[in-house]
Amino acid sequence: GIQVEQSPPDLILQEGANSTLRCNFSDSVNNLQWFHQNPWGQLINLFYIPSGTKQNGRLSATTVATERYSLLYISSSQTTDSGVYFCAVGLYNFNKFYFGSGTKLNVKP
Amino acid sequence: SQTIHQWPATLVQPVGSPLSLECTVEGTSNPNLYWYRQAAGRGLQLLFYSVGIGQISSEVPQNLSASRPQDRQFILSSKKLLLSDSGFYLCAWSVFPRRTYEQYFGPGTRLTVT
Repeated sequence: GIQVEQSPPDLILQEGANSTLRCNFSDSVNNLQWFHQNPWGQLINLFYIPSGTKQNGRLSATTVATERYSLLYISSSQTTDSGVYFCAVGLYNFNKFYFGSGTKLNVKP
Repeated sequence: SQTIHQWPATLVQPVGSPLSLECTVEGTSNPNLYWYRQAAGRGLQLLFYSVGIGQISSEVPQNLSASRPQDRQFILSSKKLLLSDSGFYLCAWSVFPRRTYEQYFGPGTRLTVT
């Protein structure tokens, strides 16, 4: 299967700081999503971004498919941003998705 | 709008007992459905996926099975639970006509096998 590596595994930020989370994948994909898992376990869709750049408020994401990586940017972080961020990649013709092990973010007030 | 339900939310079962977790989707038809398991502090592992009624693909050989008796219903089962079956079980759906396979997740079931 496709290997997905996320970095850093853990990140501690002071409220208001910016951060960049990275997702590397081992093969060509046509599906890439970023999720935020809140403390109750719910996975919240942040971006569907197999290529290009998208922005949603303080969050933005960029995927460079030819170089097999994606970046998630969080600006002006807030305590509510805390949780685990997952990258998931897949090939929709094979109906399979592969998750990275996540980046655990702790934003301190 | 589409909604995905999972129940129960939490479950504590003894080793050797049977298991049945249910997932239902509302507001869409002919979804692809997925079961994932998340061990504590780990990423998600795909267990099963289904592209239609009665069509199940297994990703990981194990003590679990899945069934899809209706278009928007996906069930995860076990005849005899093992301690290693403990974890957080998540159901997800996607709809092919969107041509993206973007996945949406349910709230999950926390299973503790004692």
